This record gives sequence, C-alpha cells and structure tokens, in this order.
Amino acid sequence: GEDVEQSLFLSVREGDSSVINCTYTDSSSTYLYWYKQEPGAGLQLLTYIFSNMDMKQDQRLTVLLNKKDKHLSLRIADTQTGDSAIYFCAALGDLKAAGNKLTFGGGTRVLVKP
Amino acid sequence: DSGVTQTPKHLITATGQRVTLRCSPRSGDLSVYWYQQSLDQGLQFLIQYYNGEERAKGNILERFSAQQFPDLHSELNLSSLELGDSALYFCASSESFGGHEQYFGPGTRLTVT
Repeated sequence: GEDVEQSLFLSVREGDSSVINCTYTDSSSTYLYWYKQEPGAGLQLLTYIFSNMDMKQDQRLTVLLNKKDKHLSLRIADTQTGDSAIYFCAALGDLKAAGNKLTFGGGTRVLVKP
Repeated sequence: DSGVTQTPKHLITATGQRVTLRCSPRSGDLSVYWYQQSLDQGLQFLIQYYNGEERAKGNILERFSAQQFPDLHSELNLSSLELGDSALYFCASSESFGGHEQYFGPGTRLTVT
C-alpha cells in the first residue's frame, strides 16, 4: 500500500521561509495534501495539489510536486510564530482501488523561533 | 472551525468497556470518515461511510464498528477496550463519495486505564 514519509522536525527563525518535505510511494495518488495540527486541536486542511500539477501557490503557501520523484514540498513564506505546529503530508489513492482514504505521513514538527 | 463536530471531547474508561464516539459532518456533506491517531501508529484511516453505506475500510479492528444514520451523523463503537486503544479519534467529512477535500473535526481523546 501507499507509504508517506516526512522528516520529524524543522526549526526556523521568524520571518524566514520554511520548507517541509514529503515523499510518497504510490504513483497513482490523485491528490496530495498538507494539513496543520496545533496542540490540542484537530487537523486543518491548508492546501492540496492535483497530481497533474507541478506547483500551486496560495498566499504564503507554495506547494511543489515532483511526480517523477514522488516528492512533495510545502514552502511557507515569512514564517510567523503562529505557524509553529505539526504539518502532515497526505496522499489520496486511486478512488476505485483504495476508496477515499487518506494516507498520512508521520508529521513534521515545525518550531518557529522569534 | 471546520464545521465538523465530535462528542465527547475526552473520554476515560477502563479496559473491557465499550464506548461510542459521535460525529456530525459539515452541513451538506454526505461522506464521513474515521481516523485514529496514536503515538506508535500515527494517523490511520479506519472506515468511510457515504450516505449511510460503508464504502471503504482500513485498519479497523473487529472490536470496532461504525454506522452512519439517516441524518448523516456517524457513530464509532469501540468494544472490549484495551490499553492500546488509547488514542485520538478523528472524524472527517467530504461533500460526496469522491469528494477529495476532507475536513476534520476536533477529535475525541480516548484514554483506557
């Protein structure tokens, strides 16, 4: 089945850009997502990208997808202390094969230092 | 606020007991998903319902069951609880069976003692 991997931790200075990376294994993944989880809270859908796109920009967020390498990244511009959270990468497999289930990575804890 | 509600927020119970977790999807959403988040397994898909019918199953134990009611709310029943069932249980919803944007509720934290 699908496997999604992320690095565990990222530390960044306030005002700098953050880049969080993710790799996945299933080339038939249709959509790829980034979710944010703050302490004691649920998962907030930040953005997503369709598998036939290379890049998607949404305000401070830029998603890059390298389908050949099965690599996804999330860049956060002008990182703020409120961006400190755990970020999860997730992949949606082929609807017929896997239903609508999301496969999540282990999460990257981002710490923004003032 | 995603619009998905879950009750209760916290639940503490003993091994061997049975609990029911409740989820109300966003207004208009027909699909409901259940996920389990634990320290050792991470976030794992359990089951999906669409308009009252089971549509996809993940790593859901036989001791666990779910259903979606005519008003589209869903319940996850966990029985013969074990210490290892302690986790955060999330419900998510999407517009349709193939609706790819899943919006998550705040979760129910289950502690089994």
